[in-house]
Amino acid sequence: QSVLTQPPSVSGAPGQSVTISCTGSSSNFGAGFPVHWYKQLPGTAPKLLIYDNFYRPSGVPDRFSGSKSGTSASLAITGLQADDEADYYCQSFDSSLDAVIFGGGTKLTVL
Amino acid sequence: QVQLVESGGGVVQPGRSMRLSCTASGFTFRNFYMHWVRQAPGKGLEWVARVSYDGTSKNYVASVKGRFTISRDNSKNTVSLQMTSLRSEDTAVYYCACAEMTTKPFDHWGQGTLLTVSS
Repeated sequence: QSVLTQPPSVSGAPGQSVTISCTGSSSNFGAGFPVHWYKQLPGTAPKLLIYDNFYRPSGVPDRFSGSKSGTSASLAITGLQADDEADYYCQSFDSSLDAVIFGGGTKLTVL
Repeated sequence: QVQLVESGGGVVQPGRSMRLSCTASGFTFRNFYMHWVRQAPGKGLEWVARVSYDGTSKNYVASVKGRFTISRDNSKNTVSLQMTSLRSEDTAVYYCACAEMTTKPFDHWGQGTLLTVSS
């Protein structure tokens, strides 16, 4: 059971938009700790997609955007492409656990 | 460019010990927290341990406290994870990763090394 809750799967057709939610609590998001998002392709290491709630590292297209409000965060992907199909993870810090925490991951399927 | 290269994985029997290492290059190692993150087969990411810039502060996920020890050597740009009393549930790909601070993202990841705990 992950401290951050994500839907197990989402899907969308090419060109459409999807949103992946990440729900936390008062000891992580509610305490002001930021959310970071990673994309992971099968058999490879995760890659940073969004950091500090909504910033994109160099090279990440603006089709990807992040937001956070209260104890929830979300990752939005517009103009879905076939190579967006991957697992997506949210990550933050929890002050009660004094630990880095991850969401359980969301598998995005591009139909 | 930034590189993190893990080594030391393999097959080990339950109850035995194993040491993983990670060698860093391409960045100022001593300016980054170093972490180990693992991923069991078919499962999600799980943070395992972190060590501060100078190695004096160390934190662990509850399931490995007392069994795993993280350490670093800034003169050699390496971080290690000494694992004892291994269990089948420790079977996973282990990644080392770096972050500027505890609450900052993992900017870079290694390619991972597979540890299989099995008799």
